Amino acid sequence: AQSVTQLDSQVPVFEEAPVELRCNYSSSVSVYLFWYVQYPNQGLQLLLKYLSGSTLVKGINGFEAEFNKSQTSFHLRKPSVHISDTAEYFCAVSPYGGSQGNLIFGKGTKLSVKP
Amino acid sequence: DGGITQSPKYLFRKEGQNVTLSCEQNLNHDAMYWYRQDPGQGLRLIYYSQIVNDFQKGDIAEGYSVSREKKESFPLTVTSAQKNPTAFYLCASSLISGGYEQYFGPGTRLTVT
Repeated sequence: AQSVTQLDSQVPVFEEAPVELRCNYSSSVSVYLFWYVQYPNQGLQLLLKYLSGSTLVKGINGFEAEFNKSQTSFHLRKPSVHISDTAEYFCAVSPYGGSQGNLIFGKGTKLSVKP
Repeated sequence: DGGITQSPKYLFRKEGQNVTLSCEQNLNHDAMYWYRQDPGQGLRLIYYSQIVNDFQKGDIAEGYSVSREKKESFPLTVTSAQKNPTAFYLCASSLISGGYEQYFGPGTRLTVT
């Protein structure tokens, strides 16, 4: 079975500061990794995904994430945040060869960007 | 534009009533999903379907039912047996093979009093 832990439930940060949202996972098999963003009262939008290849993945809105297999982590980073980045962010994993229904989400991290 | 639509955006029901949430997609995706979202809980899978006329229970299927009569449609019924139905419900779809991301609808907020 797989599980996802997002280490911070809330992250406050000032505008133009860098931010890192942490995600660790547990799995006995290889996994695909995803980060989604959710704005209030909306659905989820894909930020980026790691399937294979380069461990540094770039996504939309200036976000990037690095896959670290030895530490089973997939932390999300942005060098300079904007007020509009205020949202909830979800890390998710899906096992290789598994059922497409088996996308496991973390509990989310609320990013609050202050002016 | 291709995408997923969920209706209505807000839904209010009295306790003891069944209610059906709509989900339609025009992305030509084979797989569709229903999630429940509660504050601080992340997303929990209710049901999913990979093909018409077939679906599987997720982690929290009790008190819910689904149908998949058409590829484009995957309605969710919240029955009176669901103990705590008030929540935000999200529908998603994806291609069937591994590694493909799920696309989400805008969600339906259900309040049962």
